[in-house]
Amino acid sequence: DVKVTQSSRYLVKRTGEKVFLECVQDMDHENMFWYRQDPGLGLRLIYFSYDVKMKEKGDIPEGYSVSREKKERFSLILESASTNQTSMYLCASSFPTGANYGYTFGSGTRLTVV
Amino acid sequence: DAKTTQPNSMESNEEEPVHLPCNHSTISGTDYIHWYRQLPSQGPEYVIHGLTSNVNNRMASLAIAEDRKSSTLILHRATLRDAAVYYCILRPAGANNLFFGTGTRLTVIP
Repeated sequence: DVKVTQSSRYLVKRTGEKVFLECVQDMDHENMFWYRQDPGLGLRLIYFSYDVKMKEKGDIPEGYSVSREKKERFSLILESASTNQTSMYLCASSFPTGANYGYTFGSGTRLTVV
Repeated sequence: DAKTTQPNSMESNEEEPVHLPCNHSTISGTDYIHWYRQLPSQGPEYVIHGLTSNVNNRMASLAIAEDRKSSTLILHRATLRDAAVYYCILRPAGANNLFFGTGTRLTVIP
């Protein structure tokens, strides 16, 4: 079964900490994405990557950065965590857009910043 | 980005067919219609997608209106496991992002 694996299901961090959220996919997908999901706001795109070392900002990149050193791994970094970054974070991957395949999502990481 | 409109919630009896509607009156000719669902405490799961013709797969069927301004996701026999939030999304050809709205929360009654 194809998989997108997020390293943690639940995470609690303190304000000001640097936080790393890891995502690994085993489908050889070129595209990888980070979303956050908040009640009433739906899923919002933070960053995506269409190749190793390539990244593009999504709708809400402020306060976040990303890293993609290997095709299968896409990391989301909160440089200095704040309470308004408490959220569900979802990683996804897909083949290139031209192929028009569906996205495969991970199970999510619920991050609480205290 | 073209917008979709879905009912906030729907109910269905177990083992009955379910028709989940979606309106997308501003759809453009290159927009694909995607459906995803999100089970409780899970990430979204791809269900089906189409462009103009009706589509069937092992999970569901997608019926697309002739003018493409609306579509319907059909679950042929609802099970308790189908209780989820269902999202109808328009994806322009070549677009990298999927814009999720608030979806339809489907409740399946035993």
